[in-house]
Amino acid sequence: QSVLTQPPSVSAAPRQKVTISCSGSRSNIMNNYVSWYQQLPGTAPKLLIYENNKRPSGIPDRFSGSKSGTSATLGITGLQTGDEADYYCGTWDSSLDAVVFGGGTRLTVL
Amino acid sequence: QVYLQESGPGVVKPSETLSLTCAVSGGSIRKFYWSWIRQSPGKGLEWIGYMYYTGTTNYNPSLNSRATISADSSTNQFSLELSSVTAADTAVYYCARESLRYNGSPFDYWGQGILVTVSS
Repeated sequence: QSVLTQPPSVSAAPRQKVTISCSGSRSNIMNNYVSWYQQLPGTAPKLLIYENNKRPSGIPDRFSGSKSGTSATLGITGLQTGDEADYYCGTWDSSLDAVVFGGGTRLTVL
Repeated sequence: QVYLQESGPGVVKPSETLSLTCAVSGGSIRKFYWSWIRQSPGKGLEWIGYMYYTGTTNYNPSLNSRATISADSSTNQFSLELSSVTAADTAVYYCARESLRYNGSPFDYWGQGILVTVSS
């Protein structure tokens, strides 16, 4: 139902690495910047990555972003239990003339 | 540090108008772009629209012109009105800031969110 497609869930063990994909189209991801947000349980989303691969001040370099064509990827290394959260990708859709988000991916650190 | 705080009624009756306010502290609303974003229970994020203090606005077409966002520079607040609400409008409503406005610009500050339930 969401314009951007994310896997509903991913999981990995502590200290391991995980990637979360975000698939879109020419009208959104391909031609616009992508952001990623982390939403810890019961809290508001927090900006993790902007302009495809830039980290705001205070975000550790364990978090990284990349984009290729109509897809974007969030990478998290050195997983910690505190990383358990929902992660959302977002961008602009030039056809819809609207901000669009993925459906979110729940990360479980086993 | 910029802080955003949503306020408004927690319950709205079907067919009525939902009205929320976002108070901004730590910075003026006369810069930047200000948005409303909502999240239905257990669901993902949905952008409602943005405004600039000059009156420029843009709304999500999926809301069928039911949303209006406006600013009050004298109180450093901005507001959302959503008309003809139904149960589908039950959600946590967030206000958020874009420091710059370009295609794909990020939301760098968010309010804590306010749950609004549509129920008679």
